[in-house]
Amino acid sequence: DAGVIQSPRHEVTEMGQEVTLRCKPISGHDYLFWYRQTMMRGLELLIYFNNNVPIDDSGMPEDRFSAKMPNASFSTLKIQPSEPRDSAVYFCASSLGGTTEAFFGQGTRLTVV
Amino acid sequence: DQQVKQNSPSLSVQEGRISILNCDYTNSMFDYFLWYKKYPAEGPTFLISISSIKDKNEDGRFTVFLNKSAKHLSLHIVPSQPGDSAVYFCAANSRGSARQLTFGSGTQLTVLP
Repeated sequence: DAGVIQSPRHEVTEMGQEVTLRCKPISGHDYLFWYRQTMMRGLELLIYFNNNVPIDDSGMPEDRFSAKMPNASFSTLKIQPSEPRDSAVYFCASSLGGTTEAFFGQGTRLTVV
Repeated sequence: DQQVKQNSPSLSVQEGRISILNCDYTNSMFDYFLWYKKYPAEGPTFLISISSIKDKNEDGRFTVFLNKSAKHLSLHIVPSQPGDSAVYFCAANSRGSARQLTFGSGTQLTVLP
């Protein structure tokens, strides 16, 4: 398996634009997590899914952020409209039920100018 | 409110010596602890874990110690190698509830040749 795949690796966008980050979890994993890493707050959980269903989105900072998981092999994190303070590295991770070790993708570095 | 704290942002160690990375937690519900390693431009990768029913877990050069009464855990790397230079994150989870991990802010380890 290729591991968790995220795209794009880098995204530069202008303030006010819509940004969509994509994630393909490891096949067979039933949990999917979206994390954000910033200098100020470190790695923080935004939202996670179990069997494609959002379980806890309390980490999503604002209504500008939304996440979907239409099927077991794909998830998106959307920011609309984007703001400079959204600049961060966004990680997707997946894990198999019954274990806690999550496998991370390489991340998407988002820069909003 | 940081529930998982890594108070040392950086640590430098000579090759061949022991590296000790520390982590403190405040949430007494945490019962499973993990260490992740992160290289630049990559996602965190799982390194080693420990359940609260143990006080030590060893895997090759890596040993994690857990002191529940002090709510403290540490990662020992012996002997340290230049390839160990990375950011190390401590993470915690309450297995009885959800699957998400709470991360510390990370410690940059530099192993000097």
